[in-house]
Amino acid sequence: DGGITQSPKYLFRKEGQNVTLSCEQNLNHDAMYWYRQDPGQGLRLIYYSQIVNDFQKGDIAEGYSVSREKKESFPLTVTSAQKNPTAFYLCASTLAGESYNEQFFGPGTRLTVL
Amino acid sequence: GQNIDQPTEMTATEGAIVQINCTYQTSGFNGLFWYQQHAGEAPTFLSYNVLDGLEEKGRFSSFLSRSKGYSYLLLKELQMKDSASYLCAVIDSNYQLIWGAGTKLIIKP
Repeated sequence: DGGITQSPKYLFRKEGQNVTLSCEQNLNHDAMYWYRQDPGQGLRLIYYSQIVNDFQKGDIAEGYSVSREKKESFPLTVTSAQKNPTAFYLCASTLAGESYNEQFFGPGTRLTVL
Repeated sequence: GQNIDQPTEMTATEGAIVQINCTYQTSGFNGLFWYQQHAGEAPTFLSYNVLDGLEEKGRFSSFLSRSKGYSYLLLKELQMKDSASYLCAVIDSNYQLIWGAGTKLIIKP
């Protein structure tokens, strides 16, 4: 079945450590996105990529980094520079094109920094 | 700045009808989405409106008025499984999605 996978679902890290969140899709979608969701807030865009080997900063990119070496994969690294990394992280993908297409989401990774 | 407003929380009774409102002020408008999100899970697509009017899809309907910067999601014949957060999102002039904070809907028997 086609879809988006994120792993792991729950992740615990010590303060000061970098951590990489995985996102893989087999929907043949061109564009991929990373969002952060905090309680009582909407989704906030961290990074997005519309094509392989290219990505753009979203609204809250500081303290995060990404890569897009393959169309299927868009990993997110939460660095030690991110001041408040504990959150629910969602990866999404969509077809690119002139008409806007709905975003499909992965199941999310809940990161807790101790 | 860009802003999307939704009520934080609503309560309704099983079998009833509920309307969740969304007002927006964005730099341009290229469409509006409604998503459903159960606690701890990913959002799932419900509807997309780009023209004024009502879009009906089973028990769920979504309405848009671009001149008023207003949309609502109407849920009929409420079921317990409809307990979730409902997210409104607007596509701005740069084709970026701007998300509301979501409305938590609590269904009581």
